[in-house]
Amino acid sequence: KAGVTQTPRYLIKTRGQQVTLSCSPISGHRSVSWYQQTPGQGLQFLFEYFSETQRNKGNFPGRFSGRQFSNSRSEMNVSTLELGDSALYLCASSPGRTGQATGELFFGEGSRLTVL
Amino acid sequence: AQKITQTQPGMFVQEKEAVTLDCTYDTSDPSYGLFWYKQPSSGEMIFLIYQGSYDQQNATEGRYSLNFQKARKSANLVISASQLGDSAMYFCAMRSYFGNEKLTFGTGTRLTIIP
Repeated sequence: KAGVTQTPRYLIKTRGQQVTLSCSPISGHRSVSWYQQTPGQGLQFLFEYFSETQRNKGNFPGRFSGRQFSNSRSEMNVSTLELGDSALYLCASSPGRTGQATGELFFGEGSRLTVL
Repeated sequence: AQKITQTQPGMFVQEKEAVTLDCTYDTSDPSYGLFWYKQPSSGEMIFLIYQGSYDQQNATEGRYSLNFQKARKSANLVISASQLGDSAMYFCAMRSYFGNEKLTFGTGTRLTIIP
């Protein structure tokens, strides 16, 4: 069974540009969550998508957005990049069935974004 | 709100010894799950072990076991017979059961195994 796939793995952008990151979840998983990891703030929850709907959102500015497609693949977009957006962006995949919490919550290898 | 506390920023352990990584949590949710992840320098978050709040027995996965003490709100990870490849960051995390896939993470413990 293939794991969670994130692309691209590494990218460099300049301030003011925008970036789109992609995440393909494990087959059969319908929930995709995104996290930002920085040395200063640690791991912070960005948002979660389930069946193409944003189900939960963290405390990030509107420059951070996402979407989910009918095949459960998800993208996140950051517009008007700032230096502080440099981070490892991790995507997590889970079945997402309400009321059936399990340990099935797996991460991809992450996309490392550097903003110059 | 949920909170995870990991009080050990770094640990050094001799190879083949057992190691315990501490994790305490706080939540008002009646049902929740606790996770441990390993993050090597490559950045990938590797799932190690899961414990549900209603599970009667402590979870085990190979060399990993979770010492779950619900009354004390602690969920310590025990690694038996440590190996050089165990050197990494370790994160404790939790989530609610009710329609919410959001994980709350601790600050992590950097484990270094000494040959």
